[in-house]
Amino acid sequence: NAGVTQTPKFQVLKTGQSMTLQCAQDMNHEYMSWYRQDPGMGLRLIHYSVGAGITDQGEVPNGYNVSRSTTEDFPLRLLSAAPSQTSVYFCASSSTGSGDYGYTFGSGTRLTVV
Amino acid sequence: AQSVSQHNHHVILSEAASLELGCNYSYGGTVNLFWYVQYPGQHLQLLLKYFSGDPLVKGIKGFEAEFIKSKFSFNLRKPSVQWSDTAEYFCAVTSHNNNDMRFGAGTRLTVKP
Repeated sequence: NAGVTQTPKFQVLKTGQSMTLQCAQDMNHEYMSWYRQDPGMGLRLIHYSVGAGITDQGEVPNGYNVSRSTTEDFPLRLLSAAPSQTSVYFCASSSTGSGDYGYTFGSGTRLTVV
Repeated sequence: AQSVSQHNHHVILSEAASLELGCNYSYGGTVNLFWYVQYPGQHLQLLLKYFSGDPLVKGIKGFEAEFIKSKFSFNLRKPSVQWSDTAEYFCAVTSHNNNDMRFGAGTRLTVKP
């Protein structure tokens, strides 16, 4: 009964480096999304996916890429890390985008870009 | 796209005080409304949700929220808070026409023992 699993939990990057944040769910949810959480700004949607092979942009997509090759996995790629991307990143999944049963969130990845 | 505003950034209460956290949304269509709680160092957990029907929704841990359509509001209430309610609370909205959940900026609640 793992739910949504995010790795790594903590990461420090240098400016310009790239990396991939991993997200996996075992609930057979079609909908998955990535948020970043910054103090005083709540959670802002980066990208989302309504099923394998289908992705779309959210509020703050610049500097991030996603792909959805399987129902289970939804990795988030930082192409060239910048200090402005220092944040806590949460992955979420749901059976539907409108959240009929609410979203299930992962435990988060705390990313620091120096 | 829909948006959410939460009126209070930080609320400080003593134990047994009553709580009301404000939430307003802007969207012209049919919406689903949520309150999530985030305890220190943890991820978001669903407190309650409203989709349709009775506008007074009861959630876990004694929380409730009232949907007032004419005011575009979905305020969270609890009659008597406990120290363990210290957390950050987020209001969120989805619509029936799109596929993303939008969050408010959050309200940090501190309950003094």
